[in-house]
Amino acid sequence: EPEVTQTPSHQVTQMGQEVILRCVPISNHLYFYWYRQILGQKVEFLVSFYNNEISEKSEIFDDQFSVERPDGSNFTLKIRSTKLEDSAMYFCASSRNTGELFFGEGSRLTVL
Amino acid sequence: SQQGEEDPQALSIQEGENATMNCSYKTSINNLQWYRQNSGRGLVHLILIRSNEREKHSGRLRVTLDTSKKSSSLLITASRAADTASYFCATDAISGAQKLVFGQGTRLTINP
Repeated sequence: EPEVTQTPSHQVTQMGQEVILRCVPISNHLYFYWYRQILGQKVEFLVSFYNNEISEKSEIFDDQFSVERPDGSNFTLKIRSTKLEDSAMYFCASSRNTGELFFGEGSRLTVL
Repeated sequence: SQQGEEDPQALSIQEGENATMNCSYKTSINNLQWYRQNSGRGLVHLILIRSNEREKHSGRLRVTLDTSKKSSSLLITASRAADTASYFCATDAISGAQKLVFGQGTRLTINP
């Protein structure tokens, strides 16, 4: 069964460093998303991406964040100059339409 | 802002009993979805109910939607230890914004 894959599963970085989280969405899906979940808290929407551009973004998704679909398969989230409060699980998701989302297993980011 | 809020925040029952979780939201929606998350894992889609539907079943799951009260319930019948997880409702705005907004979740524990 097709699935969304994310790498790395865990990344530890120093405050101020740049981080790139990678995702391979399901191949025939058209919509791509990043969510984050701070430990013990709810899942928060960051950004949605369709037709090679951002279609919606939250207040969290400020200039520190960017997304890219550099080729036909990868979807990346870049966090510039990481802060302690960026520590969280970052989930990528994809969907065929605006219904059910398929999530990856997440990338745990720890900022020291 | 549109936001799903589940109650209770935590629920502990004996195996074989039924578990009911509730969700409320604030704005008009296209659909409401329920997801499950095992600790430290990605979210798994359970069921989607459209705004013009009132009840939907899938195996041991039963979801209801009351758009006049802006609320939904998820019933898991004949619970099993493997049902232990967090359960989230998620809504998408009728404006067509391509994002799901998740609630705080209900932590369900099934005691053997």
